[in-house]
Amino acid sequence: NAGVTQTPKFQVLKTGQSMTLQCAQDMNHEYMSWYRQDPGMGLRLIHYSVGAGITDQGEVPNGYNVSRSTTEDFPLRLLSAAPSQTSVYFCASSYAGRQETQYFGPGTRLLVL
Amino acid sequence: GENVEQHPSTLSVQEGDSAVIKCTYSDSASNYFPWYKQELGKGPQLIIDIRSNVGEKKDQRIAVTLNKTAKHFSLHITETQPEDSAVYFCAAGYGGSQGNLIFGKGTKLSVKP
Repeated sequence: NAGVTQTPKFQVLKTGQSMTLQCAQDMNHEYMSWYRQDPGMGLRLIHYSVGAGITDQGEVPNGYNVSRSTTEDFPLRLLSAAPSQTSVYFCASSYAGRQETQYFGPGTRLLVL
Repeated sequence: GENVEQHPSTLSVQEGDSAVIKCTYSDSASNYFPWYKQELGKGPQLIIDIRSNVGEKKDQRIAVTLNKTAKHFSLHITETQPEDSAVYFCAAGYGGSQGNLIFGKGTKLSVKP
């Protein structure tokens, strides 16, 4: 099993550009989520999904969109990048939810100029 | 909403010594308390968790204690080794598998050989 994979590993964007961060898991997990990690801020939940076709907002959803068309994939879209979105983004998955063991991907480091 | 305070933010110990990281939470309904370890350049990994129906849990050199009355829980690492050097995150959650989970801001542990 590859576990949770994320692409790209690093990305530089200009303000106003859009992009999609990819996340895939091969563990047949129903629950997937996106976090952002900023220095001194811990991990904050952006969006999550409890299964294919179902998504919901987390703590900091503004400026981000998600979709879940398959069990395996959970892409995160930045609609119009802003410098405040400079961060490290982690995708995670688990069998049932956040209060089960979450398996994190290696992260995507995003710099918005 | 739930708030999780984690202390200290940095901790340096000599190899072989013990390390203790403490977290306090605000919501008395919280009933799930995981600890994640994040090595440099990697995603967080669950190392131990505890639920509110137990007061202590051990796994080899790692233990977690929970005091629900005082609303705090701690991570204890004994006989520390250089490979224990990482950032450790606590979290507190409530509401079942798909309930809320709030992370602390992290503790950077350095174990000096």
